[in-house]
Amino acid sequence: DGGITQSPKYLFRKEGQNVTLSCEQNLNHDAMYWYRQDPGQGLRLIYYSQIVNDFQKGDIAEGYSVSREKKESFPLTVTSAQKNPTAFYLCASSTGTANQPQHFGDGTRLSIL
Amino acid sequence: KQEVTQIPAALSVPEGENLVLNCSFTDSAIYNLQWFRQDPGKGLTSLLLIQSSQREQTSGRLNASLDKSSGRSTLYIAASQPGDSATYLCAVYSVPHSGAGSYQLTFGKGTKLSVIP
Repeated sequence: DGGITQSPKYLFRKEGQNVTLSCEQNLNHDAMYWYRQDPGQGLRLIYYSQIVNDFQKGDIAEGYSVSREKKESFPLTVTSAQKNPTAFYLCASSTGTANQPQHFGDGTRLSIL
Repeated sequence: KQEVTQIPAALSVPEGENLVLNCSFTDSAIYNLQWFRQDPGKGLTSLLLIQSSQREQTSGRLNASLDKSSGRSTLYIAASQPGDSATYLCAVYSVPHSGAGSYQLTFGKGTKLSVIP
């Protein structure tokens, strides 16, 4: 089945540690996105990529980094500079055109140890 | 900057009741609007996408309307069932302020729906 796979489902980070969240899609979509969801808040855009080897900062990019070396993969690294990383992280993909919906993975919940 | 508001934040209804969820947005220059469903601890499932040129979209018991000029959308759920219990999110596609780059979704905070058997 075509879809978006995020892993792991749960992730724990120690102080000063960088962690990487995986996002893979087999929908042949050009565009991929990372969102952060906090309780009682709407989703906020961290980074997005329209095409391989290109990505743009979203509204809350500080403390995060991404890469887009392959069309199907868009990993997100939460660096030690992100002081409040505890949240639910959602990855999405789309064709990149405005008349097509975004499709979402099942998310990764990141917590601080 | 686009802002999306959803009212109410939570709603509890008895099974079988028809209900309406509301979504408003501040910048009417949108490309389309998308309604999502989110179950606890899960990702988002797309329910309906309404293009800016459309007035409504229907899928089964769901009907979404869009009034772009007034910055409003509603999601109508007919004959609600306990399985409809979830958080419903509204999101609008806008062009970034820079005028370049991918279309971006701006989300509301959601309406948490509980359908009581």
